[in-house]
Amino acid sequence: DIQMTQSPSSLSASVGDRVTITCRASQSINRYLNWYQHKPGRTPKLLIYTASTLQSGVPSRFSGSGSGTDFTLTISSLQPDDFTTYYCQQSHSAPWTFGQGTRVEIK
Amino acid sequence: QVQLQQWGARLLKPSETLSLTCTVYGGSFSGYSWSWIRQPPGKGLEWIGEISHSGTTRYNPSLKSRLTISADTSKSHFSLNLNSVTAADTAVYYCARVTPLLWFGELVGSWFDPWGQGSLVIVSS
Repeated sequence: DIQMTQSPSSLSASVGDRVTITCRASQSINRYLNWYQHKPGRTPKLLIYTASTLQSGVPSRFSGSGSGTDFTLTISSLQPDDFTTYYCQQSHSAPWTFGQGTRVEIK
Repeated sequence: QVQLQQWGARLLKPSETLSLTCTVYGGSFSGYSWSWIRQPPGKGLEWIGEISHSGTTRYNPSLKSRLTISADTSKSHFSLNLNSVTAADTAVYYCARVTPLLWFGELVGSWFDPWGQGSLVIVSS
């Protein structure tokens, strides 16, 4: 199985901050990497697919980059609605696997 | 707009069988694969398995011996059956569509979207 490791596991930030979350794969996954936002009690929401393509309707403050084994999710200017948990997920090889999650908290 | 609605038993005893069904509304069932994903309390997301529109299944090896995923294309629904459950199977279970990205007929990506509303399943004696 491909292991996905996110860092940090949690972070504290303020509204307006630029935030970067990293996801590392245990082997090369090309650009088969997706990002989700998951709020408690809600359905996970797709933010970015194939490493850098913004899902329709997702604010442009979210961006993704990377290929191979190292990927990043960046929120350019953190908004109140963004304080929640984010997951990366690889779609290169089954079983599809997720990172352990990164919780973004209010400082 | 495609929507997934799921239902099934929510409270189980150890050794019982977990059964959930997910119905697809407002979109095509054929041409896609359909997945189950779960999240144990306080933990991350775990892919359980999936079924293609042609009936081909793929399972997470960690659950394969207890797992069956089936589909009824005439009713646009797919189902999860997980037998011999234990407390470790307590989780919120989600169904989701596997959306593929094809480039000149080659699969160059896939992702889970949309998702069902989630079902909290508790296994307790």
